[in-house]
Amino acid sequence: GDSVTQMEGPVTLSEEAFLTINCTYTATGYPSLFWYVQYPGEGLQLLLKATKADDKGSNKGFEATYRKETTSFHLEKGSVQVSDSAVYFCAPYNYGQNFVFGPGTRLSVLP
Amino acid sequence: NAGVTQTPKFQVLKTGQSMTLQCAQDMNHEYMSWYRQDPGMGLRLIHYSVGAGITDQGEVPNGYNVSRSTTEDFPLRLLSAAPSQTSVYFCASRKHGVSSYNEQFFGPGTRLTVL
Repeated sequence: GDSVTQMEGPVTLSEEAFLTINCTYTATGYPSLFWYVQYPGEGLQLLLKATKADDKGSNKGFEATYRKETTSFHLEKGSVQVSDSAVYFCAPYNYGQNFVFGPGTRLSVLP
Repeated sequence: NAGVTQTPKFQVLKTGQSMTLQCAQDMNHEYMSWYRQDPGMGLRLIHYSVGAGITDQGEVPNGYNVSRSTTEDFPLRLLSAAPSQTSVYFCASRKHGVSSYNEQFFGPGTRLTVL
């Protein structure tokens, strides 16, 4: 079945540092790719998405590019803030199937 | 719109007790699902439903029952709680079968402890 590999956390950064969270996936067909974020004590919410190869999803300063040749969807942000501290989930989704969530990467940003 | 709501937020059970976690959505979504979130395990799908009267098992269905009598509600029943069911439970909903763009919306979660 489909699966996701995310970098192990926790990731600890200082404010204004550059962030990369790696995500690679195995999936049948041609999935859409999503990043979800979970802030402390809350449910998951959509951060960004991309639906076809070379598409770039972006939101709140975060970006990720759909790389079909490497089956990757790495999340990046140029300058993180303390408020970005959260758990980030990569998730491929194929039409008509269930979302597959990665294990999540916990990010802590220190002031 | 309230989105996806879950009750209760917290619950403590004793081994062997039964209970129902409630989930409701007001977005007219056909698809609803239940996940559990455990440290280091990410989210694992318990059960899901693609419409009223239709349910199916996910990755970890044992010990849980669901039913879907209306589009809005999708309760999760623990038949005889076990300590292994201590977890945070999330309900989610989305449109089904429209396209691959379907964002999934999550409830705030229920933190369950089984003693």
